[in-house]
Amino acid sequence: DAGVTQSPTHLIKTRGQQVTLRCSPKSGHDTVSWYQQALGQGPQFIFQYYEEEERQRGNFPDRFSGHQFPNYSSELNVNALLLGDSALYLCASSEDRGRTYTEAFFGQGTRLTVV
Amino acid sequence: AQTVTQSQPEMSVQEAETVTLSCTYDTSENNYYLFWYKQPPSRQMILVIRQEAYKQQNATENRFSVNFQKAAKSFSLKISDSQLGDTAMYFCAFSTTGTYKYIFGTGTRLKVLA
Repeated sequence: DAGVTQSPTHLIKTRGQQVTLRCSPKSGHDTVSWYQQALGQGPQFIFQYYEEEERQRGNFPDRFSGHQFPNYSSELNVNALLLGDSALYLCASSEDRGRTYTEAFFGQGTRLTVV
Repeated sequence: AQTVTQSQPEMSVQEAETVTLSCTYDTSENNYYLFWYKQPPSRQMILVIRQEAYKQQNATENRFSVNFQKAAKSFSLKISDSQLGDTAMYFCAFSTTGTYKYIFGTGTRLKVLA
């Protein structure tokens, strides 16, 4: 099992551009969450997808959007990039069993640099 | 809203010694989990230990144990017999049961010295 895979690993974009980051969840997992981790900080929750719908959202502007595909993989899109969007973007997958705990697995992240 | 606070930005410990990392949290929820995650330079978050809020017994995983004080909303991690491979960022995290959403603290950078 490859676990959670994210692509690309590194990305450099210019201010104002748009970017798409990708995540393939661990086999058997149906829930994908995205986090932004600024340098020296803890990850901040962006949003979560389940059954191809955005189920929860953190305090991020509408420039941040996402999608989940029928195979449970997910994309994070960021429009009109700002310098402050430079961060490590982490994807986490889990299997939704309601109130029964299942372990979330994290990918190695995509390092986005906006110049 | 839930918050997680880690007040120790950096710590160091001699190899084979014991170190304790602190974490406090705030929530009005009754059903939740608390976690400690390790993030080495490879960037991947690795689960170290988990505690269910409804369990009074402190969780233990090999050299790692927690001190969970629910009334004080405190959740510290004790690492015994520290090893060089324990060098990493450690994050305390909170999750309301059934949400699969994690709230992280700002992290503690732990360095194990040879």
